[in-house]
Amino acid sequence: GAVVSQHPSWVICKSGTSVKIECRSLDFQATTMFWYRQFPKQSLMLMATSNEGSKATYEQGVEKDKFLINHASLTLSTLTVTSAHPEDSSFYICSARSQGVDIEAFFGQGTRLTVV
Amino acid sequence: QKEVEQNSGPLSVPEGAIASLNCTYSDRGSQSFFWYRQYSGKSPELIMFIYSNGDKEDGRFTAQLNKASQYVSLLIRDSQPSDSATYLCAFRRTGTASKLTFGTGTRLQVTL
Repeated sequence: GAVVSQHPSWVICKSGTSVKIECRSLDFQATTMFWYRQFPKQSLMLMATSNEGSKATYEQGVEKDKFLINHASLTLSTLTVTSAHPEDSSFYICSARSQGVDIEAFFGQGTRLTVV
Repeated sequence: QKEVEQNSGPLSVPEGAIASLNCTYSDRGSQSFFWYRQYSGKSPELIMFIYSNGDKEDGRFTAQLNKASQYVSLLIRDSQPSDSATYLCAFRRTGTASKLTFGTGTRLQVTL
């Protein structure tokens, strides 16, 4: 079946550094990818929606200059957390949807980011 | 009022029993409803989706939707310890470009 691969699964970084998270669709073309953030005991909060070849659409309250999203191909989207701070520590999850498919069924494994 | 409300639990049921998970939503424009299972430290997995009022069954799972009451539920028959997880309901408005809005989830514990 369709698989979305997210890498890395966990990362620890120093405050002030940047971290890049990759999300790949392995056997389908992901025209739309979604990036979520989940804090402990909370639900998934959508950060941004990215469509291949165009700029990402960010949710209210999400800083686009801090969370850089690139969706340069139909199989790869990246999220870069720039100048990370401890409050950015969270579980980041991507999901992918192909054109014409109404069901958001494919999530990446998630990335546990810890900023120290 | 929250967009999606779920009892956080934990909901504890004995093995073999029926687990009933409930979710209410406030957006009457919601058209598609989803149930996801999330194990601790993992990303969500799609369990069921439902668009029309009534029941939809898939194996041990039954989703129930009542748009008039803005209520969606998930029944798990013959609950197994492996069903112990957090169950998230989510909804979306019409259109594939619409975003999913998730509830905070109900933690289910199936006891031996």
